[in-house]
Amino acid sequence: EPEVTQTPSHQVTQMGQEVILRCVPISNHLYFYWYRQILGQKVEFLVSFYNNEISEKSEIFDDQFSVERPDGSNFTLKIRSTKLEDSAMYFCASSEGRASGSTDTQYFGPGTRLTVL
Amino acid sequence: AQKITQTQPGMFVQEKEAVTLDCTYDTSDPSYGLFWYKQPSSGEMIFLIYQGSYDQQNATEGRYSLNFQKARKSANLVISASQLGDSAMYFCAMREAPQGGKLIFGQGTELSVKP
Repeated sequence: EPEVTQTPSHQVTQMGQEVILRCVPISNHLYFYWYRQILGQKVEFLVSFYNNEISEKSEIFDDQFSVERPDGSNFTLKIRSTKLEDSAMYFCASSEGRASGSTDTQYFGPGTRLTVL
Repeated sequence: AQKITQTQPGMFVQEKEAVTLDCTYDTSDPSYGLFWYKQPSSGEMIFLIYQGSYDQQNATEGRYSLNFQKARKSANLVISASQLGDSAMYFCAMREAPQGGKLIFGQGTELSVKP
């Protein structure tokens, strides 16, 4: 069964460093998303991406963050100059985004646990 | 205001019993979707069940069913015949756009199944 994959599963970085989190969405999906979950808290939306551009972003997704689809399969989240409060689990998700009548369910990857020291 | 409210931080259920996890939502959009996800201790988010705002019937998926009461804006998850492997965090989520829209999550309910 197709699934969303994410690498790395764990990333430890020093405050102020840049990190790139990688995702491979399900191949026939058109919408891609990033969410984050700070330990013990609810899942928060960061950004959605469609047709090679950002379709929606949250207040959290400031200039520190960027997303890119560098090729036909990967979808990346870059965090510039990481802060302690960026420590969280980051989830990538994708959905079909096709005709009406579809549930357009978002399927999540296993997550990348980012620790900023 | 909270868009998705899960009022039960933790729940216990005896193995093989049924359990209901509560979820209420708030939206003025007539078209929306409601989702339940399971997050085991390993951390992944697993899709369980979906209910569309225009669906006439309550959604069912194996041992999972959704008790959708539109007028009360509630979308409770019912798990029948609980198994030890059902112990996990359960999140209710809503999407207001017809497709491609963000999911708004509740705080989650931690379910523990006792043998």
